Amino acid sequence: QQQVKQSPQSLIVQKGGISIINCAYENTAFDYFPWYQQFPGKGPALLIAIRPDVSEKKEGRFTISFNKSAKQFSLHIMDSQPGDSATYFCAARQNYGQNFVFGPGTRLSVLP
Amino acid sequence: DAGVIQSPRHEVTEMGQEVTLRCKPISGHNSLFWYRQTMMRGLELLIYFNNNVPIDDSGMPEDRFSAKMPNASFSTLKIQPSEPRDSAVYFCASSLASGNTIYFGEGSWLTVV
Repeated sequence: QQQVKQSPQSLIVQKGGISIINCAYENTAFDYFPWYQQFPGKGPALLIAIRPDVSEKKEGRFTISFNKSAKQFSLHIMDSQPGDSATYFCAARQNYGQNFVFGPGTRLSVLP
Repeated sequence: DAGVIQSPRHEVTEMGQEVTLRCKPISGHNSLFWYRQTMMRGLELLIYFNNNVPIDDSGMPEDRFSAKMPNASFSTLKIQPSEPRDSAVYFCASSLASGNTIYFGEGSWLTVV
């Protein structure tokens, strides 16, 4: 119940295309859902996050869509660029403590 | 503005040796986390501290692993004795206890041969 499932494991998109990464969870006590971006040789860094009382959050080319009833959320990258090539992790935090549970990651490659 | 600082960045050691990884969290942050990243298991939380006190160490794999936080600006993760299956990237991260964002260091790449 503590798991966060993520798909696909890897994704190849042409420059200018839309990248979509999906996540699902079971624990209804999760109250905060961030996405982290990790470049090779670096640590993950917060990209965008959403709370379950909101169905969508957009920051520039990045949008999170959240479906509370289905316990699913997704990251959409519009107009994908080669510089977006990285590994993306969805995560979830329970409404107490600081324990973030991370999905297994999606390796995105954006072809020029 | 310095981020989370980890050392060493890379470590190659022989099986059976002691390994100590070090972390300096962001100044003012009062939560500190140790994560391990592998291809097979992804990002796993090993332990986290609030105000230098270990809160959840359920992710520590076994007694060979230990972590300490003697003060607000320093933490160590020790593996003794090390085994080849411990080879991974170990990340330290910090946050405000009241905050939503975890800030990761650049990781310590450990190879045990």
